[in-house]
Parts: sequence; structure tokens; C-alpha cells
Amino acid sequence: DGGITQSPKYLFRKEGQNVTLSCEQNLNHDAMYWYRQDPGQGLRLIYYSQIVNDFQKGDIAEGYSVSREKKESFPLTVTSAQKNPTAFYLCASSSRAGYPTEAFFGQGTRLTVV
Amino acid sequence: GENVEQHPSTLSVQEGDSAVIKCTYSDSASNYFPWYKQELGKGPQLIIDIRSNVGEKKDQRIAVTLNKTAKHFSLHITETQPEDSAVYFCAASERSTGFQKLVFGTGTRLLVSP
Repeated sequence: DGGITQSPKYLFRKEGQNVTLSCEQNLNHDAMYWYRQDPGQGLRLIYYSQIVNDFQKGDIAEGYSVSREKKESFPLTVTSAQKNPTAFYLCASSSRAGYPTEAFFGQGTRLTVV
Repeated sequence: GENVEQHPSTLSVQEGDSAVIKCTYSDSASNYFPWYKQELGKGPQLIIDIRSNVGEKKDQRIAVTLNKTAKHFSLHITETQPEDSAVYFCAASERSTGFQKLVFGTGTRLLVSP
């Protein structure tokens, strides 16, 4: 089955710790994205990548970091600098970065700070 | 940048009724408008999309209309069923330095009662 796989589904972090959320796609898509979702708000863009070894900050990049070493993988690290990390994180991909087209989403990772 | 507003935030209907969700956008250069359905604990899934060269698009019980002059677009669901209950998000594409970025509305929680 083609799609986007996010892991883990649930993640608990102690304050001061960095955690990494995994995102893998087998759709051969060029573009990948990370969104954050909070109750009552839309999806806000954290980072995006158009090609391997290149990524750009989105609207709320502070306290987050990413890498794109392989086309199919786009992991997100939530650092201790992110003051309010508890949220639902969604990874997405689309076939062409420069052309508006459908974004496919993973099932999400719910991160909770304990 | 692009700004998308979505109304209402919650919508309750009886099974068999129609449901309408409305969105407005600010950037007249936006040319792609998808609608996503998100079920509890899952990632959003595309249900219908429309491009700026089309005024209306229909897929079975779902239709989307676009008014470029007024910069608003709407989702219409006819003959609603309990399985239509979910959160619906509209989005508009924003072109940023050659990259097409989706800007999302804040979502509408639709509840269809049997």
C-alpha cells in the first residue's frame, strides 16, 4: 500500500528533552511537510521540503528542526526550546512542490509533555 | 500572506439534511482550494478540490463552489449521513517563492444526528 507512515502514534516527553517524530512516504513524492494541530485551530506549517537536502521554515518553526537526507523520509525533532510542544503533529507529502495539488497526510503523532 | 477564514465552527444537522460550510480567502492569486475531512485521531483526507478556472465541482453528494470575485468558496453536502460526522477543513494555496503552500481554515465540526 502506498502512503505516509508516522510513528509513534503517541509520544510522551519530559520537559527539557528532545524528541524525534518519524515520517516515511512511499509515494515517490518530492515535497514533504510538517504541520501542527491544536484544538480549535487549523493546521499550521512548521517546516517543508521541496527536494532532498533542502528544507525551509514554515510559519511556526521556532523550537523545531528537520532533516531530509532521503526522498522518502522527513523526521521532525521537537527540541527543548519549544515551550508548548503538546499537540497533534501531522506529516504530509505532495507530488510536486511548485504546483498546487493534493497533499496526502499521515495518521499523526500526538505528543504530550509530562 | 494568505488568510483563510472558515464558518461555522460547529454545525449540527439531522440525517438527510444538507450541510454548507463557507470559507473566505484574502489572496486573489490563490488558485487551488481543497477540502479535507478529518475523523477523530486520524489525519485529514482530501474529499474534493477545485481550481480557480472552475466555478463548481460535484462528486456524488459533495459539491464545492468558488466565487473568485468575492474570494469565497463553499462545501455542500447533501443527504447527510451519520458517517459524515467529522471535522472539515478548507484550504487555499499560497505561492511563496515558487513553492505552493496550503493555508488552512480553523475547521468545522459537523455532527449528523440519526
